[in-house]
Amino acid sequence: DSGVTQTPKHLITATGQRVTLRCSPRSGDLSVYWYQQSLDQGLQFLIQYYNGEERAKGNILERFSAQQFPDLHSELNLSSLELGDSALYFCASSVAGVNTEAFFGQGTRLTVV
Amino acid sequence: SQQGEEDPQALSIQEGENATMNCSYKTSINNLQWYRQNSGRGLVHLILIRSNEREKHSGRLRVTLDTSKKSSSLLITASRAADTASYFCATIVLGGTSYGKLTFGQGTILTVHP
Repeated sequence: DSGVTQTPKHLITATGQRVTLRCSPRSGDLSVYWYQQSLDQGLQFLIQYYNGEERAKGNILERFSAQQFPDLHSELNLSSLELGDSALYFCASSVAGVNTEAFFGQGTRLTVV
Repeated sequence: SQQGEEDPQALSIQEGENATMNCSYKTSINNLQWYRQNSGRGLVHLILIRSNEREKHSGRLRVTLDTSKKSSSLLITASRAADTASYFCATIVLGGTSYGKLTFGQGTILTVHP
């Protein structure tokens, strides 16, 4: 158990809908990362937050948004869902970010039908 | 494009053999990390090597780093069937607007046959 909790584990939704994925980092970790993993694109970095502030942004679509709350949990919002958004979404956390390892949650498997 | 690129994409060996995976990256790094992922599960951190280190060991794992060639290798000795997984290298971008971005390569799929 990495200490990072992601909910829900599985999500099936229709095209055009909006979903929210939740991540609770390990106790004491200030940095949260979001990744999308699909078979054809590999593990894609989406966005990173550090202590509530956005730190780095990757190939995150405009239909996607995220935030980190004062209690350090984070949410990834995916809207106007398309079939191609079906993927595993991982959250990871680390103490600081640069010189430390990241701990991954078990992921949320999103299926858009 | 990915910061790290693993080679080979897939590796199939027999139990007891050694497995070597390579990673090349493009920009300056602070450290390089290796992770393991069992099918459909979250990634698990294996080892971190800093840019001023050349070699690091952890159990049956040996990691080398050559910053002049921008490459790293992961050696798993005396492999076991339980080592079957995907292995990723990861680097953190330094500088610019993506400071702290932890990026992963495409991974090497290792299959160890009993």
